[in-house]
Amino acid sequence: SQQGEEDPQALSIQEGENATMNCSYKTSINNLQWYRQNSGRGLVHLILIRSNEREKHSGRLRVTLDTSKKSSSLLITASRAADTASYFCAFMDTGRRALTFGSGTRLQVQP
Amino acid sequence: DAGVTQSPTHLIKTRGQHVTLRCSPISGHKSVSWYQQVLGQGPQFIFQYYEKEERGRGNFPDRFSARQFPNYSSELNVNALLLGDSALYLCASSLGGGVGIETQYFGPGTRLLVL
Repeated sequence: SQQGEEDPQALSIQEGENATMNCSYKTSINNLQWYRQNSGRGLVHLILIRSNEREKHSGRLRVTLDTSKKSSSLLITASRAADTASYFCAFMDTGRRALTFGSGTRLQVQP
Repeated sequence: DAGVTQSPTHLIKTRGQHVTLRCSPISGHKSVSWYQQVLGQGPQFIFQYYEKEERGRGNFPDRFSARQFPNYSSELNVNALLLGDSALYLCASSLGGGVGIETQYFGPGTRLLVL
């Protein structure tokens, strides 16, 4: 399967704590992206990291990419209740134009 | 600027019926992709269209078809609906249809329930 795998499947933390989600994939990729989805609605693009980058920051988000291990992680620092959502990694295989999504991590941030 | 828009937001159909879902991309974007998201799973790629031509197709049966219009809006059609077609259908737009680094912007989705 070309699907990405994410872990954990679900994560519950307190406000102010950090949340880390991991994504693994099996193919060669051009880039890897992270999306957030609230309550089964549309996906919001969070961050894109290219295959030749190792780390990227955007506000409270930090993404790492290890192409040798075919894995990526998303760290959300100082989490807020509003961060409660499902988070998906998505990657674009070399030679393809479509995104392949991981299975998602459901994050619950308790106020 | 308006984001990606989709219509309708919700739809209920019965098995065997046909459905048409619509998507308008962000102004200036020429590529539209369709994804199916079954409850509890990540989205799965169905089609990509660029400049009115199909550029990619996922592993979906021929009951699924799509087209893109000169104004870059798109329709997804599903014939002979099955219970398993119940899902959230997401449309995404991007600037071009090239391979490689492209951010896709998603609409709010159409939730289809097949009874």
